[in-house]
Amino acid sequence: AQSVAQPEDQVNVAEGNPLTVKCTYSVSGNPYLFWYVQYPNRGLQFLLKYITGDNLVKGSYGFEAEFNKSQTSFHLKKPSALVSDSALYFCAVRDLRGSQGNLIFGKGTKLSVKP
Amino acid sequence: DAGVIQSPRHEVTEMGQEVTLRCKPISGHDYLFWYRQTMMRGLELLIYFNNNVPIDDSGMPEDRFSAKMPNASFSTLKIQPSEPRDSAVYFCASNRDRVYEQFFGPGTRLTVL
Repeated sequence: AQSVAQPEDQVNVAEGNPLTVKCTYSVSGNPYLFWYVQYPNRGLQFLLKYITGDNLVKGSYGFEAEFNKSQTSFHLKKPSALVSDSALYFCAVRDLRGSQGNLIFGKGTKLSVKP
Repeated sequence: DAGVIQSPRHEVTEMGQEVTLRCKPISGHDYLFWYRQTMMRGLELLIYFNNNVPIDDSGMPEDRFSAKMPNASFSTLKIQPSEPRDSAVYFCASNRDRVYEQFFGPGTRLTVL
């Protein structure tokens, strides 16, 4: 069965510091991996994805994520956090081998960036 | 493209009333998803369609919920009769293919009194 874990309910970071939001996954085959961001009272917004190729994926708003197959992780990172990055972040996975069309979402991590 | 369009954006109704939520996916997208988000349960997949055919409705809470996709550009999620515990934000999303990311609509905030 496919699953995604986001072990932290909340991450607190000072503005200008690097941030990491953690995600681990479990699939039977090779994964498609995604990160989404949700600002208050808005829908989820796509940030970046990993399908194949380079393990370091760059996305919107200066975010990047590193795919680590041995650790089954796909952590979201940003070198210098902004107050405007404060939002809810979701990791999601789809099994490349399976026929399912849906994504499996983690429960979300609330990122709070303080000035 | 205008993105995924949902209507209404807000709905307030009384317990026992029928509620219909509407979604227009992005043109050319083959998959359409309905989600529900609450503080307690987070983001839940209710049902998804591929080429207008329901593929997995295992997330639909009970028989009071039904969803249809009569054509590639329109889907509805109906709750009849509605109950206060149905209060949530309902999202519609679509994507072109399994490889691609889902695009979410702005959501419908449903309040059942």
